[in-house]
Amino acid sequence: QVQLVESGGGVVQPGRSLRLSCAASGFTFSSYGMHWVRQAPGKGLEWVAIISYDGSNKYNGDSVKGRFTISRDNSKNTLYLQMNSLRAEDTAVYYCAGGVTHFDYWGQGTLVTVSS
Amino acid sequence: EIVLTQSPGTLSLSPGERATLSCRASQSVSSNYLAWYQQKPGQAPRLLIYGASSRATGIPDRFSGSGSGTDFTLTISRLEPEDFAVYYCQQYGGSPLLTFGPGTKVDIK
Repeated sequence: QVQLVESGGGVVQPGRSLRLSCAASGFTFSSYGMHWVRQAPGKGLEWVAIISYDGSNKYNGDSVKGRFTISRDNSKNTLYLQMNSLRAEDTAVYYCAGGVTHFDYWGQGTLVTVSS
Repeated sequence: EIVLTQSPGTLSLSPGERATLSCRASQSVSSNYLAWYQQKPGQAPRLLIYGASSRATGIPDRFSGSGSGTDFTLTISRLEPEDFAVYYCQQYGGSPLLTFGPGTKVDIK
């Protein structure tokens, strides 16, 4: 069955960097657009970034532009999110999700806490 | 910028009742790229409806979606105990590329 497993979350100081990974299985990863979506504690969902199936196109949400970079390695069935210059307001559960216009598949999420 | 507004914020109903959730967009949603998700506490969201009215795989037929342009509705015909959750609408193709509504919580009356 489809599995998306995020890793790399944790506690990080403001201004530092963190890289999240999402390992995919059970579907043809290289054919799917992929996203990162986040959810601050007790809040709603916020789209972070999208990458096309082959990695040739990427778009970020306004709140992370210039700080976060989405990438993928189709040979490893893995999605990444490089997060730089982290701020307290980036504290959230980060989900990877598969699809383009909507999210067919979701991981269980990894918690990122930005705190000194 | 396309902003999605969901109403009501909270809907208090009893099992067996009908739930009607609204999602309104500030501009027309292109090609009806409007989806609905259900999220329970501590869980990832689950896709219910895409393309405004198409049920996702495995979703019971008590869930239905309708609407076009700027006004969309998710209807749960008869609430089951497992349907009490938060529901989000989501659009694709506007500016920003993808946005979610703030959610509607359906809780037990």
